[in-house]
Amino acid sequence: EAGVAQSPRYKIIEKRQSVAFWCNPISGHATLYWYQQILGQGPKLLIQFQNNGVVDDSQLPKDRFSAERLKGVDSTLKIQPAKLEDSAVYLCASSLDGDTQYFGPGTRLTVL
Amino acid sequence: AQSVTQPDIHITVSEGASLELRCNYSYGATPYLFWYVQSPGQGLQLLLKYFSGDTLVQGIKGFEAEFKRSQSSFNLRKPSVHWSDAAEYFCAFTSNDYKLSFGAGTTVTVRA
Repeated sequence: EAGVAQSPRYKIIEKRQSVAFWCNPISGHATLYWYQQILGQGPKLLIQFQNNGVVDDSQLPKDRFSAERLKGVDSTLKIQPAKLEDSAVYLCASSLDGDTQYFGPGTRLTVL
Repeated sequence: AQSVTQPDIHITVSEGASLELRCNYSYGATPYLFWYVQSPGQGLQLLLKYFSGDTLVQGIKGFEAEFKRSQSSFNLRKPSVHWSDAAEYFCAFTSNDYKLSFGAGTTVTVRA
């Protein structure tokens, strides 16, 4: 069974530029999550989708971050404009039944 | 407030020696508990999980963890460490809303 796929794996941008990350969850997994992991910290939930609807986006900085999950499968997370403090690893996870999450390899973002 | 604490930031252990990583949680009811491992540049891999039942849980790669309600702990153990076990380990918990909260992580270094 294929795991959670993410791209790109690495991205370097200048501050105030925009960037987008893509995630393809495990086939059949209805729930999809985006996490932000700052160096030296545990992952922090940004947004949770159930199929193509948002369940929780309370920790998403909505002035610059947006996410969508069209057709309840793939998802895209966007940052516009990026700030220096957005440098982090962005992890996507998916879950079949909500109790166990499986993570992708992450996208490491560096904002200069 | 619900939280999980990993008291040890960094542990160094000799190859072949035993390893124990500590995890304490704060939650009014019985949480769902997880241990994940993150190798450099990789996403998080699930080692084991506890939902209910037997308090000693076996996981992958020879790891086990024991849930102790009286101590609010879920410590991870491995009898004999291999060099490939060098990584960062995260304890996480969720309640019935299935939103994962992670500890800050423990970095394990294995010396020859």
